[in-house]
Amino acid sequence: DQQVKQNSPSLSVQEGRISILNCDYTNSMFDYFLWYKKYPAEGPTFLISISSIKDKNEDGRFTVFLNKSAKHLSLHIVPSQPGDSAVYFCAASATGSGYALNFGKGTSLLVTP
Amino acid sequence: NAGVMQNPRHLVRRRGQEARLRCSPMKGHSHVYWYRQLPEEGLKFMVYLQKENIIDESGMPKERFSAEFPKEGPSILRIQQVVRGDSAAYFCASSPNRRDQNTEAFFGQGTRLTVV
Repeated sequence: DQQVKQNSPSLSVQEGRISILNCDYTNSMFDYFLWYKKYPAEGPTFLISISSIKDKNEDGRFTVFLNKSAKHLSLHIVPSQPGDSAVYFCAASATGSGYALNFGKGTSLLVTP
Repeated sequence: NAGVMQNPRHLVRRRGQEARLRCSPMKGHSHVYWYRQLPEEGLKFMVYLQKENIIDESGMPKERFSAEFPKEGPSILRIQQVVRGDSAAYFCASSPNRRDQNTEAFFGQGTRLTVV
């Protein structure tokens, strides 16, 4: 049962433009959301997170938006750089579960020069 | 890398053998999580441990899989009598506490298990 869904397996964006990665979830108990970036043969690297008490969190070029009513979050990368090319995973956890995260299947982002 | 050490990086086992995967969390972290990633899939939560305690093992297969995090030493994920379907990347993550707005879980580089 996939509780976190990333419906776009891949995304291609030109350097300098905005990348928007989307994520939907079904479990209303989720209250903490994270984005991880992953290169082949490496472990996931934390990017940014957001608590359900917020609707936006920003860190440099990365902004995460949360729409609780729609059970939807998105990651915006502005401006996109070739080094951002990687697989991006959306993850969620519920109160009391620590970092027992539910991951989406990932979106492979390619930023072209 | 944030300092979570997993070894070995690659492990090949024949069907029926045992696989032992080790994870040393970041210094000061007392919470460890194991995940499995099958090809073309996202990471699936397996088990959450604190020192000497299993907090949540809801993602662990009922048979052949076990995990521990002893008072001293690394966390161990043990797979007995491996089958081809166990071939996957196994990731360990650690965090300093249960969950905090200002912390996150750091992942190791994973162990790639191949069952032949």
